[in-house]
This record gives sequence, C-alpha cells and structure tokens, in this order.
Amino acid sequence: AQKITQTQPGMFVQEKEAVTLDCTYDTSDPSYGLFWYKQPSSGEMIFLIYQGSYDQQNATEGRYSLNFQKARKSANLVISASQLGDSAMYFCAMREVGGATNKLIFGTGTLLAVQP
Amino acid sequence: EAGVAQSPRYKIIEKRQSVAFWCNPISGHATLYWYQQILGQGPKLLIQFQNNGVVDDSQLPKDRFSAERLKGVDSTLKIQPAKLEDSAVYLCASSLRIGSDTEAFFGQGTRLTVV
Repeated sequence: AQKITQTQPGMFVQEKEAVTLDCTYDTSDPSYGLFWYKQPSSGEMIFLIYQGSYDQQNATEGRYSLNFQKARKSANLVISASQLGDSAMYFCAMREVGGATNKLIFGTGTLLAVQP
Repeated sequence: EAGVAQSPRYKIIEKRQSVAFWCNPISGHATLYWYQQILGQGPKLLIQFQNNGVVDDSQLPKDRFSAERLKGVDSTLKIQPAKLEDSAVYLCASSLRIGSDTEAFFGQGTRLTVV
C-alpha cells in the first residue's frame, strides 16, 4: 500500500541558509510520481516540484530541489537561500501509476519557520 | 487561467445539521478530488472522480458523507448529519488527467466548524 512519511513535525532555519525537509515513501508500484506542496497560513496548497520514478536527474525548480534516492525510497526537499516567505507547512505527496485509481496521498507535513 | 473555485470559504453549523460544499475545477481537468484536512494533519483523500465517475471513495464515511460530480464538471460534497469530528478544512483539487506526472491544483478550501 502507498505510504508517505514525514518525520520532522517542525524545523527552524536562519534566513539565507539552506534547509532539507525529509520524506520517505513506500510503494510496490515501479512507476510513481512524487510531489512537494507548500501550504502557507492562508491555507492554499501550492505545488512546488515533481519527481518521476524513472527520472534520472533530480528535479530542480528555482530555489527548490528534490534529493531523490530511489533505493532508499526517499525524496527530500532542499530549499536553498531560505526567505522569510518560505515559512509554511510543507507536504510530500505521491501518486502511483499502476494502481486502479492513481490516488494522490499526502504525508503529515513539516512546519518550517524561517528566522531573520 | 482560472483556478479551482470553492464555496463557501467558511461555515459554522451545529452537530446533526447538514452542510454542502461546492467545487468548480479548472476547465478541462478530468480528475477531481475532495480532501479533508484536520488541523495539524495532512490532507486525507475522501473521494476521487474521473470525469463524472467515482474511481476511489474508500475513505469516505458513506453513512454521512456523499459527493457527486454531475456532467463531469462541478462537484458537491455533502455531510448529513454533521459530527463534531467533521470540523476540518475541505479541499477540492483537480488535475488534467490521471497520471503520475500531473500535479493537482487546489482551491482555497472550506473551513467547517461543527459546534
């Protein structure tokens, strides 16, 4: 069964430093996609970055990069040069392809606080 | 491009009352999701539609929750009767198609408080 685990309930980082948010997943499907979303206090879910299970390169989008280690089933989000506006909840999510429904499931999230 | 629209933004009801939420997905998006997000938790999938058919409702409490997506566009989620533990944000999302590489776009959610 699909499962997403985020073990860090909260993280602090100093402005302009880099931070890594952990995500591990479990699936028996060889084909899947991994996503990271940001949820500010206003509540909307904002898509950040995507990594496909067959992608050879780690995904990058501006200051966001995904450290994909397939053998370890981990998909950590790295935010470089943190900004005050990065303070938010961050969710890791996964969608399998081989299943009948292609459900998009989420982890429990990590609350990131960027300090000046 | 217009985003996912949800209404109302906020709703307060008494337990045992009924409530309905509405969602209009992004035009052309075949897949529509309803998630329940309890404070401090990640979104939990309640139901997923592909066009106007249900592809997954395994976590929908069917004794009190119902959802429909008429004509494969707008969707409504209903709770009847509501319980205190239904207090949560209800998020609607849509994606272009089923596929591992298609991200879901979310609406702003409906914050439900059951008193």
